[in-house]
Amino acid sequence: KAGVTQTPRYLIKTRGQQVTLSCSPISGHRSVSWYQQTPGQGLQFLFEYFSETQRNKGNFPGRFSGRQFSNSRSEMNVSTLELGDSALYLCASSGTLDTQYFGPGTRLTVL
Amino acid sequence: GENVEQHPSTLSVQEGDSAVIKCTYSDSASNYFPWYKQELGKRPQLIIDIRSNVGEKKDQRIAVTLNKTAKHFSLHITETQPEDSAVYFCAASRRRSSASKIIFGSGTRLSIRP
Repeated sequence: KAGVTQTPRYLIKTRGQQVTLSCSPISGHRSVSWYQQTPGQGLQFLFEYFSETQRNKGNFPGRFSGRQFSNSRSEMNVSTLELGDSALYLCASSGTLDTQYFGPGTRLTVL
Repeated sequence: GENVEQHPSTLSVQEGDSAVIKCTYSDSASNYFPWYKQELGKRPQLIIDIRSNVGEKKDQRIAVTLNKTAKHFSLHITETQPEDSAVYFCAASRRRSSASKIIFGSGTRLSIRP
């Protein structure tokens, strides 16, 4: 099976802009989770989608949102970007056994 | 709220020696504990996991132990090799429960000295 893919891999934006990141899970996986990874903060959970519904949510402001499509592909949107949003954004998909498989990540730089 | 504490944050061991990373979780209903390894510039990858009905699991040079009473679990790497250098994350979740999310520890940067 093909692994989890994310696009784009790198992104540079300026403060105030918005950005949309995409994640395609492993075929057959219905759960997609998003994480923000920064050097000092480890893996911070953003949200999880399952069958097009947000099932869990982390402690991030409303500027961070997501959605999932009927084919399980998921998008994450960040509006009104701030310098502190610069990070590696990872998505992970899981099937019935709950093990999470991570994508390569999108490195977002906010200038 | 749910929390996973991981120690130490950095660890340096001589090649061939053993390394131990410890995690403590707060949610007593957690029943699934995976460990991930993230090499520099790469994605986290699952290396071993343990369910709450098992006290210990081993896979070649790596092993994980779980103490449900104390709510802590540990990763043991024996006969360390240079390729073991990476950041390791522990995590805890309630398996197959829609009411809980997987919580990660803050990571341990393991360096293997030649």
